[in-house]
Amino acid sequence: GQSLEQPSEVTAVEGAIVQINCTYQTSGFYGLSWYQQHDGGAPTFLSYNGLDGLEETGRFSSFLSRSDSYGYLLLQELQMKDSASYFCAVRAMNTGFQKLVFGTGTRLLVSP
Amino acid sequence: IAGITQAPTSQILAAGRRMTLRCTQDMRHNAMYWYRQDLGLGLRLIHYSNTAGTTGKGEVPDGYSVSRANTDDFPLTLASAVPSQTSVYFCASSAGGNPTDTQYFGPGTRLTVL
Repeated sequence: GQSLEQPSEVTAVEGAIVQINCTYQTSGFYGLSWYQQHDGGAPTFLSYNGLDGLEETGRFSSFLSRSDSYGYLLLQELQMKDSASYFCAVRAMNTGFQKLVFGTGTRLLVSP
Repeated sequence: IAGITQAPTSQILAAGRRMTLRCTQDMRHNAMYWYRQDLGLGLRLIHYSNTAGTTGKGEVPDGYSVSRANTDDFPLTLASAVPSQTSVYFCASSAGGNPTDTQYFGPGTRLTVL
């Protein structure tokens, strides 16, 4: 099976940098994704790491170390609108079909 | 382009009743998914479909059924609703077949079973 661990909540102030960690256990690993979800909204895709290293998209970056089964999402120059839940998800193979298995989410609270 | 639409937005249902949650996408995506989201448990896959005419079971399929008669529609049916099926249900789609595929989510259906 698959399992993921990420902190339940992180707090930070506007303009700061925050890192949300994710460790995983899975077989048939194909990559780590990150999704953002605002309260009452739908999850939206942020980033994907298929290989080790850092992927940067604007203020957000995501890192993967496959040997450590570990990744993180880095949010820079935090804004109030970044207050949301962030989910890591592993791509794993299940009976020939790639699926996403989601972590339980990290709630980020950004204060002024 | 609407992306993915779900209906209804919310529903209160008596236990034992049958209910179908509707999902339609206009992106011509091959793969579609149904998730449920419960507080503290994240998103859990109920059923999925690789392509029209095929379906498969996810992590929590019991009590749910799906069909995929065409590319665009992927309805989820609760044959006899129970209170433990109270949840927020999200439909999603992806182009399919590529490890970098992004999943696009619908706005969700909030279902309460009493």
